[in-house]
Amino acid sequence: QVQLVESGGGVVQPGRSLRLSCAASGFTFSAFGMHWVRQAPDKGLQWVASVSSTGSNNYSADSVRGRFAVSRDNSRDTLLLQMDSLRVEDTAVYYCAKGHSRGWYFFDSWGQGTLVTVSS
Amino acid sequence: QSALTQPPSASGSPGQSVTFSCTGTNNDVGRYNYVSWYQQHPGKAPKLIIFEVNKRPSGVPDRFSGSKSGNTASLTVSGLQAEDEADYYCSSYTGIYSWVFGGGTKLTVL
Repeated sequence: QVQLVESGGGVVQPGRSLRLSCAASGFTFSAFGMHWVRQAPDKGLQWVASVSSTGSNNYSADSVRGRFAVSRDNSRDTLLLQMDSLRVEDTAVYYCAKGHSRGWYFFDSWGQGTLVTVSS
Repeated sequence: QSALTQPPSASGSPGQSVTFSCTGTNNDVGRYNYVSWYQQHPGKAPKLIIFEVNKRPSGVPDRFSGSKSGNTASLTVSGLQAEDEADYYCSSYTGIYSWVFGGGTKLTVL
């Protein structure tokens, strides 16, 4: 079955960088668009970024554009999120999610999340 | 992009039905049928329970149903069970390759 395993979270100071990874298995990774969604402590879900199945197109929310970059390595079935110039308000659990077979408009399967804490 | 509007809480007794609303705008919920709903239990990852307004993924009980009218989408949970107690989030595609979520509704089963 579909499995998504995020890694790379941790505690980082404001202004520093972090790179998250999401290892995918149980499906043909290269056939699906992929997403990053985050959830601040005791808050709701927020879409962060998405990348097309080939990796040629990527999109991000206004709040992270220019600081975060989503990419993928289809040879290694891995989704990536490079996070630069981190801010305190970026503190959240970051989930990777698979796009649905009906289109990447829906977040079909989710990983367990990785916690990023931005604090001095 | 502003978040979709959901009531913060809802409740019902076992066996009853409860309906959650999710209000957007002409640019998201009202324009596209790309509305989905997610169930999240405490400390767990979200789970897709409705996509494309009213379709259920395999394995999701038919007690869960979705609908849309104008700029408002709705999720109905019929025959409430204790395990339905969770947070529920709606989401919509907003065009130009962006997505938006609602603030979530916390369902309490009395």
